[in-house]
Amino acid sequence: KAGVTQTPRYLIKTRGQQVTLSCSPISGHRSVSWYQQTPGQGLQFLFEYFSETQRNKGNFPGRFSGRQFSNSRSEMNVSTLELGDSALYLCASSPDLNQPQHFGDGTRLSIL
Amino acid sequence: QKEVEQDPGPLSVPEGAIVSLNCTYSNSAFQYFMWYRQYSRKGPELLMYTYSSGNKEDGRFTAQVDKSSKYISLFIRDSQPSDSATYLCAMSASSGTASKLTFGTGTRLQVTL
Repeated sequence: KAGVTQTPRYLIKTRGQQVTLSCSPISGHRSVSWYQQTPGQGLQFLFEYFSETQRNKGNFPGRFSGRQFSNSRSEMNVSTLELGDSALYLCASSPDLNQPQHFGDGTRLSIL
Repeated sequence: QKEVEQDPGPLSVPEGAIVSLNCTYSNSAFQYFMWYRQYSRKGPELLMYTYSSGNKEDGRFTAQVDKSSKYISLFIRDSQPSDSATYLCAMSASSGTASKLTFGTGTRLQVTL
């Protein structure tokens, strides 16, 4: 069974640009969550989607947004990129709510 | 103060040793407790998942949860060089926000030959 797939693996952007990251969950998983990982702050929860609805949101500015499609695939978007947005962005999926989450290998975003 | 505290290490042990990794937390609403292993340039891999207090064993790994002390542990028996990685504890509250995981900072483990 294929794991969580995130694309692209690496991305370089400049300040002020916007970026879209993609996540394909494990087949049959309906819940998708996104996390930001940085050396200083560790892993921080961004948001969670289930049945195309955002169910939970972390403490991030409105520049961070996401969506989930009917096939459970998810995208997150970051607008007006700042240097501090450089991080590893991780997607996790689970079969249903309150189930263990399985992570992809992430998209490493670098802002110049 | 962070909700979840974890010693960042690094922790260096010889092959075959028993490793003890720990986290403390302050939020008494946490009900689900997890341990993840993360290799360099990879995403976190789920090792153990427990609900509420008690012990859970899976092969060389044992997870313990003591909710009265707000303390969780992961024990690795007969440690191998392939266990060298960063170990992250994670936890979440029950019901509606259970998918929001709060992580420790991770403990870097090095198992030497």
